[in-house]
Amino acid sequence: DTGVSQDPRHKITKRGQNVTFRCDPISEHNRLYWYRQTLGQGPEFLTYFQNEAQLEKSRLLSDRFSAERPKGSFSTLEIQRTEQGDSAMYLCASSLDQKEYGYTFGSGTRLTVV
Amino acid sequence: GDSVTQMEGPVTLSEEAFLTINCTYTATGYPSLFWYVQYPGEGLQLLLKATKADDKGSNKGFEATYRKETTSFHLEKGSVQVSDSAVYFCALSGGKLIFGQGTELSVKP
Repeated sequence: DTGVSQDPRHKITKRGQNVTFRCDPISEHNRLYWYRQTLGQGPEFLTYFQNEAQLEKSRLLSDRFSAERPKGSFSTLEIQRTEQGDSAMYLCASSLDQKEYGYTFGSGTRLTVV
Repeated sequence: GDSVTQMEGPVTLSEEAFLTINCTYTATGYPSLFWYVQYPGEGLQLLLKATKADDKGSNKGFEATYRKETTSFHLEKGSVQVSDSAVYFCALSGGKLIFGQGTELSVKP
């Protein structure tokens, strides 16, 4: 297993367009998390899944954002009608239930909205 | 809600200097505590962790001790190297990771 994979690495889109990102977690990890990181800030929690169930969503996650994990494996994060303020690094992480194992992060998808 | 506060950066040190980056937290329950590191142009990497009070996490010469009485998890290293230059994030987990704002470390030769 090569870790958490995210695709694409970079995305440039025009304001108003929809974008979708994909995350493939470590195969034996049952929890998957999405974070957003802007320059000079720590990652901000967006949402997480345990298997296919979305257990928590941040207030940061407006109704333009939707995340899915249909079969409890990979996940997608879609942003509809993108705005310039959505420009950020979107990070995915996965973990086992047991918190002491820590969380493994992917390299992220950098979104630029022009 | 749960939160993490780190000392502000940037921190600039000479090679072989002693490093301390302060981290304090507010949490209900008994979270696990983590330090993550982000090297320039790279993703977040787990540096060390501690899962209960008085545990000491250590890795690559870095150490941090989970202090419940002071709600702290300060990161220390006895002798920093230029290659340690990065942004360091303190985080807690009570089901999801909550990060501090990060502390940039710059080590000069």
